[in-house]
Amino acid sequence: AQKITQTQPGMFVQEKEAVTLDCTYDTSDPSYGLFWYKQPSSGEMIFLIYQGSYDQQNATEGRYSLNFQKARKSANLVISASQLGDSAMYFCAMREGTGGSYIPTFGRGTSLIVHP
Amino acid sequence: EAGVTQSPTHLIKTRGQQATLRCSPISGHTSVYWYQQALGLGLQFLLWYDEGEERNRGNFPPRFSGRQFPNYSSELNVNALELEDSALYLCASSVVRGITGELFFGEGSRLTVL
Repeated sequence: AQKITQTQPGMFVQEKEAVTLDCTYDTSDPSYGLFWYKQPSSGEMIFLIYQGSYDQQNATEGRYSLNFQKARKSANLVISASQLGDSAMYFCAMREGTGGSYIPTFGRGTSLIVHP
Repeated sequence: EAGVTQSPTHLIKTRGQQATLRCSPISGHTSVYWYQQALGLGLQFLLWYDEGEERNRGNFPPRFSGRQFPNYSSELNVNALELEDSALYLCASSVVRGITGELFFGEGSRLTVL
């Protein structure tokens, strides 16, 4: 079974609107961390936001927020006020504790295109 | 502060040859991770080095190997290249081993096998 599932291969959004990128995860480890990365066409992966499994509040970083629903095992990324420069691939990732030896596991990604 | 650097940026080889990719982590980072990103498959974990030792490897054949040097830089070797080895190879470094540490990635080395 896949550890990280991103069901949206591609998403389109109008500039200045908000968009939600879905991510569900599978783990039996009570201790884990969830990450989102952005990969522009240049190829470099850029860290966006982190959520720990024990964090009570949803993480936020500027225009990025993580909608963490632990019972549903989902960690959706919300980008507010989309900009043209947000067009990129977005990857959800997880680091598990003892079960996963802390090795980050990535989903297949979602391609986001922001229209003017 | 310099980020993670990888070389070469692009590499073209033919089937059966060997490829060597190099990575320099961010200063102070002791962990280096290698990932393969083939088209449409996301990032597949290859190897993890920490403090000069191989700590874990992904589900790849033994012809994928590497090492980490005393200065924590790393090299990935792919022997007996096959067409399906064509991919972007990403190196990442981290200072934290636990669940909280994000990875810092280089821009990758694109390997094309003809």
